[in-house]
Amino acid sequence: DAKTTQPPSMDCAEGRAANLPCNHSTISGNEYVYWYRQIHSQGPQYIIHGLKNNETNEMASLIITEDRKSSTLILPHATLRDTAVYYCIVRGAAGNKLTFGGGTRVLVKP
Amino acid sequence: GAVVSQHPSWVICKSGTSVKIECRSLDFQATTMFWYRQFPKQSLMLMATSNEGSKATYEQGVEKDKFLINHASLTLSTLTVTSAHPEDSSFYICSALGSDYGYTFGSGTRLTVV
Repeated sequence: DAKTTQPPSMDCAEGRAANLPCNHSTISGNEYVYWYRQIHSQGPQYIIHGLKNNETNEMASLIITEDRKSSTLILPHATLRDTAVYYCIVRGAAGNKLTFGGGTRVLVKP
Repeated sequence: GAVVSQHPSWVICKSGTSVKIECRSLDFQATTMFWYRQFPKQSLMLMATSNEGSKATYEQGVEKDKFLINHASLTLSTLTVTSAHPEDSSFYICSALGSDYGYTFGSGTRLTVV
């Protein structure tokens, strides 16, 4: 599976959009981009995933560049409860394991 | 949505004893389950992949005789930490892969070996 690179930490203001970047320059054509988050002392929570097209759900939006070498997770209106570590993961075909990188520690401030 | 129940949520055991952690998929069948370990302020490290009815596949550096994994049914996988020592103290997390729901994680088990 392709390796991902994320900034180790970032702060954002409550109520504002939070844009979390992820670099996956070695991604191959059949690999999906997944985003999970982990709130302290809990298991990871699924946020969103995509292959080529941008995706949106009730939690977030995922913007994937045309060359698929990077992506951005957008939390449209960050709340204090969004404080967590966010992991960007590239995964191959169904059945492959999820390998976690370092993630981005996001702190939402009032 | 898909729910994975992990039990216990925390456990304290004496050095040299064994501890069993259960991971259940409550509303879906999981042919594959994964076990992770997480040390403080670190990311999740995959320990092993278990497939229902077959032997688990362990990641490099993980002792299969120390971390026994059983996946006897499509809804239950167990991880047994045998002869636990203080260095085995960690946060253990399971994940279940369902055909419709993708990867769902349990809430984790905090193991403290004293």
